[in-house]
Amino acid sequence: EDKVVQSPLSLVVHEGDTVTLNCSYEVTNFRSLLWYKQEKKAPTFLFMLTSSGIEKKSGRLSSILDKKELFSILNITATQTGDSAIYLCAVGEGAGGTSYGKLTFGQGTILTVHP
Amino acid sequence: NAGVTQTPKFRVLKTGQSMTLLCAQDMNHEYMYWYRQDPGMGLRLIHYSVGEGTTAKGEVPDGYNVSRLKKQNFLLGLESAAPSQTSVYFCATRAGTPYEQYFGPGTRLTVT
Repeated sequence: EDKVVQSPLSLVVHEGDTVTLNCSYEVTNFRSLLWYKQEKKAPTFLFMLTSSGIEKKSGRLSSILDKKELFSILNITATQTGDSAIYLCAVGEGAGGTSYGKLTFGQGTILTVHP
Repeated sequence: NAGVTQTPKFRVLKTGQSMTLLCAQDMNHEYMYWYRQDPGMGLRLIHYSVGEGTTAKGEVPDGYNVSRLKKQNFLLGLESAAPSQTSVYFCATRAGTPYEQYFGPGTRLTVT
């Protein structure tokens, strides 16, 4: 059975701290790994990773994928209260032309940043 | 552009009642998805559609039906609601970039 596991499930930090969120996966036909940020409503897309070892960066957020060890990390440096959210990891699977873009999601990590 | 919209935003049903959730998109995306989100379980795929007139089952389809009569709309129906269907429901669409999905704001459904 396909599985995506995130850790920790929740995390409380203070502004300025650096956090690392983890995502490990076991899927039959890996295509890509995606990170989403979910505040009060809809998940919003952060990164998509398809190749090992290539870091994706956006401001204070960065992410990297290890396809050999089947995991990804999301780093947030100099955290701010606006970073408080649920961070979701999802793995995209497919089988060539029949792919329908299936995403298998992890449980999410709830990040709380205190002032 | 509105992107992905969902109606209603909230709904309370009694066990056995039926309802339809509407997802509408103005991005001309072919793929559309319905997920449910429950605490500690992430997002789980209910049904999906790869184009107008086509639908297929996802991971947790029991108790739900869907229709995609028009490309821009994807409807999720509950014929006889059960308390286990209390959840937040998200619709998503897929752009040209593989696997990047855009989500609607969600519908919070409570079945008593």
